[in-house]
Amino acid sequence: NAGVMQNPRHLVRRRGQEARLRCSPMKGHSHVYWYRQLPEEGLKFMVYLQKENIIDESGMPKERFSAEFPKEGPSILRIQQVVRGDSAAYFCASSARQGVFNYGYTFGSGTRLTVV
Amino acid sequence: DQQVKQNSPSLSVQEGRISILNCDYTNSMFDYFLWYKKYPAEGPTFLISISSIKDKNEDGRFTVFLNKSAKHLSLHIVPSQPGDSAVYFCAAVDGSSNTGKLIFGQGTTLQVKP
Repeated sequence: NAGVMQNPRHLVRRRGQEARLRCSPMKGHSHVYWYRQLPEEGLKFMVYLQKENIIDESGMPKERFSAEFPKEGPSILRIQQVVRGDSAAYFCASSARQGVFNYGYTFGSGTRLTVV
Repeated sequence: DQQVKQNSPSLSVQEGRISILNCDYTNSMFDYFLWYKKYPAEGPTFLISISSIKDKNEDGRFTVFLNKSAKHLSLHIVPSQPGDSAVYFCAAVDGSSNTGKLIFGQGTTLQVKP
């Protein structure tokens, strides 16, 4: 059973371009969370999705960022018109159910976005 | 506003000794706490968790202690091993939110010397 798969592992974009980050949750998991880690900081919650629904996007910047989790296929985090401040590691986590923490969430290895 | 704080950026201990990593929080609505371990270029790996109704949870070499009155928790690793060298994150769940999102501390880098 493969874990949470994120791709690409590394992504370089020029300022103004679009970045698309993909996350395939573990098999059987229908809950997906996206987190961002800026250099020298902890992980910050961005968005929580279930299949075809955004449940909580309170951590998403108001502009340029969007996320989706379609019925089929991976969850996508999309950043339009990237700026240097978007350079960070973006992690996806998945779970089978909400609110069960005795085994935590399973995180992917992350996508490291560098904006040049 | 940092609701979960790990005030020690780094910790160095000798192999075989105890490692104690600390975490403070401000929100009394937090009802679950988790510890994650992270190696460079990898995602966080779940270690251990504790519900706010408990004061201790143990799993092998890892024990988490929770002091609700002090809004403080700690992770004890005994005995420490070189492979434990990593960044450790404390995370909390806001019970009033019901989305299950985690609020992370800044992390503590643990170095275990052979």
